[in-house]
Amino acid sequence: DVVLTQTPSTLSATIGQSVSISCRSSQSLLDSAGNTYLYWYLQRPGQSPQLLIYLVSNLGSGVPNRFSGSGSGTDFTLKISGVEAEDLGVYYCMQATHAPYTFGAGTKLELK
Amino acid sequence: EIQLQESGPGLVKPSQSLSLTCSVTGYTITSGYDWSWIRKFPGNKMEWMGYISYSGSTNYNPSLKSRISITRDTSKNQFFLQLNSVTTEDTATYYCAREAIAALFDYWGQGVMVTVSS
Repeated sequence: DVVLTQTPSTLSATIGQSVSISCRSSQSLLDSAGNTYLYWYLQRPGQSPQLLIYLVSNLGSGVPNRFSGSGSGTDFTLKISGVEAEDLGVYYCMQATHAPYTFGAGTKLELK
Repeated sequence: EIQLQESGPGLVKPSQSLSLTCSVTGYTITSGYDWSWIRKFPGNKMEWMGYISYSGSTNYNPSLKSRISITRDTSKNQFFLQLNSVTTEDTATYYCAREAIAALFDYWGQGVMVTVSS
């Protein structure tokens, strides 16, 4: 199975600070058709996960544009430009290029 | 509004079967999309378990393939998870979700916590 390594595992931030989370894959996530099935999800405390970013860099429905995704091949990044209190929770990257789908271990974003 | 709701026992004994239901409202599960089960273990690890498609075909995580079954009742607009021969390592919060395209889960249930313990 594809292993997704997220760093850091915990991130402490102040409101308004910009932060980044890295997701590194054990295999390239570019498929033969030129698609990269890499996603970012956020699970807020007490809630279900919600989609933030799909196909590396596309913003999910209703997701604020302070979130952005980038990367290619095996290295991907989620950036939050100006953390807000509602952004606290656990962030996961997920891949679907290779079966079975796999998740990163998660990055917990907390207030400093 | 599309809503998914998991239900089922919160406690299962080791070696028994875990059975969960996902009730869907606001969308007919035979109209499209894949309908998945995902679980989150204590400590944040997430695992995609498998799905049943709108046509009734299934796809499972190979790590579970010998123990898992996902079925549906189209008359009730529900789909089900059965996981056999559970151990304490199956203790997790179980979510059902709609999969729009590969791994794009756009609607989730609220999750149901299942503990495997004697």
